[in-house]
Amino acid sequence: NAGVTQTPKFRILKIGQSMTLQCTQDMNHNYMYWYRQDPGMGLKLIYYSVGAGITDKGEVPNGYNVSRSTTEDFPLRLELAAPSQTSVYFCASSSGTSQETQYFGPGTRLLVL
Amino acid sequence: RKEVEQDPGPFNVPEGATVAFNCTYSNSASQSFFWYRQDCRKEPKLLMSVYSSGNEDGRFTAQLNRASQYISLLIRDSKLSDSATYLCVVNKVNRDDKIIFGKGTRLHILP
Repeated sequence: NAGVTQTPKFRILKIGQSMTLQCTQDMNHNYMYWYRQDPGMGLKLIYYSVGAGITDKGEVPNGYNVSRSTTEDFPLRLELAAPSQTSVYFCASSSGTSQETQYFGPGTRLLVL
Repeated sequence: RKEVEQDPGPFNVPEGATVAFNCTYSNSASQSFFWYRQDCRKEPKLLMSVYSSGNEDGRFTAQLNRASQYISLLIRDSKLSDSATYLCVVNKVNRDDKIIFGKGTRLHILP
């Protein structure tokens, strides 16, 4: 199993550009999450999904959109990138609720200039 | 009180020593507790779950103190490879069932 994979590993965007961060898991997990981690800060939940077709906002959803058309994929869309979105983005998945282990992808480093 | 609070450190500890750090949480109804480890520029990975009765895995021991609302992590005979950031994770237990990550405690093991 590859686990949770993310692409790209690193990206530089100009202000106002858009992009999609890809996340795929092969563990047949229902729950998937997107976090951002700023330097020296904890992980903040952007969006999460409890199954295909179901998504919900986390703590910091503004400026982002998600979709979940399949169990495996959970892409994160950035519209009109801003310098405040410079961060490391982690995708994670788990088999169930908050009592289950979350498995993280390697992260995408995004720099918005 | 913050939902999950940790001493950011860094803890600079000589190799072979024992080190312990705590994490406090604000929601007395929280039921799930974890320690994750995050190496520099890497993703977080589960280190261990924290059970009511405590949990030991080799050199690592995790404890839960519900009365004082904190969990602890003890590392014995520390190794250079233990250098990392240790994230405390607690489930939120509100209408939305999510987990909250602490900001982490940085540990540096010195040769």
